[in-house]
Amino acid sequence: AAGVIQSPRHLIKEKRETATLKCYPIPRHDTVYWYQQGPGQDPQFLISFYEKMQSDKGSIPDRFSAQQFSDYHSELNMSSLELGDSALYFCASRKQGSSYEQYFGPGTRLTVT
Amino acid sequence: ILNVEQSPQSLHVQEGDSTNFTCSFPSSNFYALHWYRWETAKSPEALFVMTLNGDEKKKGRISATLNTKEGYSYLYIKGSQPEDSATYLCAFMSGNQFYFGTGTSLTVIP
Repeated sequence: AAGVIQSPRHLIKEKRETATLKCYPIPRHDTVYWYQQGPGQDPQFLISFYEKMQSDKGSIPDRFSAQQFSDYHSELNMSSLELGDSALYFCASRKQGSSYEQYFGPGTRLTVT
Repeated sequence: ILNVEQSPQSLHVQEGDSTNFTCSFPSSNFYALHWYRWETAKSPEALFVMTLNGDEKKKGRISATLNTKEGYSYLYIKGSQPEDSATYLCAFMSGNQFYFGTGTSLTVIP
């Protein structure tokens, strides 16, 4: 069965650079969630989209933006990167109305040097 | 801000011991309670989704119960094995948003 795809899997950037993370949900899933997990920390909810519209916003910094496209994939854009942005970024997808479950992607490990 | 708490924060048990941990969550606006098994640098593995008060779910040696009226869920592991070592996260679902607990880190000592 198709799973959530995230790309790239690993990314190394320097301070003040920009990064774009991509998430491809399971086919026919209409909701995407983004999470950040810093080293030794709990996963933090960043933002979610339903049917291409932002549905909930968590602890996403103003330097970050995200959107969901017409094919339901989502991109997390991160600018003016800081060392503290180094983390695992997970996205998860879900089909609203059919299941409570969200399915996680493998994550993107971002390292800011 | 929704508060989801898990206890204990970490746990070390001997192989073969049974153990349990707790997830506490708000008792209002409840949609579902999720349990995940999360190994470092891997994506979370869904264990259970529970929606009804009194739900009990079981998968092999792992089981969970749910009390939505008082806002808690227990996760039980019977006869712990070293491969059970991981962080166990609960997530309270309200509407379409998920609120994660702080996790219980389990180490099973052979």
